[in-house]
Amino acid sequence: GESVGLHLPTLSVQEGDNSIINCAYSNSASDYFIWYKQESGKGPQFIIDIRSNMDKRQGQRVTVLLNKTVKHLSLQIAATQPGDSAVYFCAENSNYNQGGKLIFGQGTELSVKP
Amino acid sequence: NAGVTQTPKFRILKIGQSMTLQCAQDMNHNYMYWYRQDPGMGLKLIYYSVGAGITDKGEVPNGYNVSRSTTEDFPLRLELAAPSQTSVYFCASSTPRAGAYNEQFFGPGTRLTVL
Repeated sequence: GESVGLHLPTLSVQEGDNSIINCAYSNSASDYFIWYKQESGKGPQFIIDIRSNMDKRQGQRVTVLLNKTVKHLSLQIAATQPGDSAVYFCAENSNYNQGGKLIFGQGTELSVKP
Repeated sequence: NAGVTQTPKFRILKIGQSMTLQCAQDMNHNYMYWYRQDPGMGLKLIYYSVGAGITDKGEVPNGYNVSRSTTEDFPLRLELAAPSQTSVYFCASSTPRAGAYNEQFFGPGTRLTVL
């Protein structure tokens, strides 16, 4: 069946280092792939999305890479800060014009050491 | 704008009790969603709605019901609470954008425990 999963459940980095969070997906028909950030006790917050016909997209301090050949998605955070500590979810989105349902992966907990 | 609001924030139910989780949004979004999040897991879609009067099942609809009588409100009903429904429930809303991902905005969640 369709699934989106993450390679690593936890990631610990030093403040100022770059972080890379990985995700594998199985549904090649997804239109968009999205990264969400969830801080403790809060709802998920949108970070960045990438359309299925793109390989790379950059935002403020974040870059998402999409490798359709191996069905792999990654989120790169530059100069990681303590405020980046959270659980990060990848999600895939299909039928965006029919409700845009999201299928979430398990999540990776990012811990930033000062 | 308040965005997406959910009430209550916390609730403890006994097995067999019923309750309604409230969700409202003031962004005039057409699409609304209910997800559940079990500990250490990602969110799973329960039900969604693409407009007033229209609802459809998601991945895990069993044990839940929804209605959408207005654009703003999308309540989730649990009729006979079971321990398996212990979870954190998130409501979200979005609006379609041509040629772009229609970003879902999430509420703060309702933490439900069934004992």
